[in-house]
Amino acid sequence: EAQVTQNPRYLITVTGKKLTVTCSQNMNHEYMSWYRQDPGLGLRQIYYSMNVEVTDKGDVPEGYKVSRKEKRNFPLILESPSPNQTSLYFCASSLIGQGAGYTFGSGTRLTVV
Amino acid sequence: SQQGEEDPQALSIQEGENATMNCSYKTSINNLQWYRQNSGRGLVHLILIRSNEREKHSGRLRVTLDTSKKSSSLLITASRAADTASYFCATGGAEETSGSRLTFGEGTQLTVNP
Repeated sequence: EAQVTQNPRYLITVTGKKLTVTCSQNMNHEYMSWYRQDPGLGLRQIYYSMNVEVTDKGDVPEGYKVSRKEKRNFPLILESPSPNQTSLYFCASSLIGQGAGYTFGSGTRLTVV
Repeated sequence: SQQGEEDPQALSIQEGENATMNCSYKTSINNLQWYRQNSGRGLVHLILIRSNEREKHSGRLRVTLDTSKKSSSLLITASRAADTASYFCATGGAEETSGSRLTFGEGTQLTVNP
């Protein structure tokens, strides 16, 4: 089944404790992206990647890191999480090209206390 | 930065009625897409319309695009309780040559009452 897999689904952590949210897709998509979703703010893009070893900042990259060592994986790293990073996170992937729809993962609900 | 803005923010209708949601955007686009999100779940791609298209259909969905007004509408006909979800428009900017980077609006929450 074609899908984007995120893990974990839920995560509660403490301020400052490094964490990684994994994202993997099995559709051979070049484009991958991370979004966070907050009430009243909609979906905001954190980082995106056009291909292996090619990443770029989205609209809200502060406090996050990503890597794209393999085409299928695009982990999101929070080196020192803070409470304002409590949010619902989504990974998405698509083919490159105008009009390619995104396939989204099921989301990771992160709480930083 | 937010590009699309959906209107209304919330819509409540009876089963069988039609639901219309609108999206306005600010800058030139290559394409506009509509997505659906069930509560707390990932978004699901519904339909895409390119900047040179005016109308597109998919099942009970009808999307229109007016680039002169920088607006789009999504019509769901003969709504069902299972259509209850949030609906988002997303735009692929013309400045993005690949057209891959999408900017999402804040969504319309649709409730279809049985």
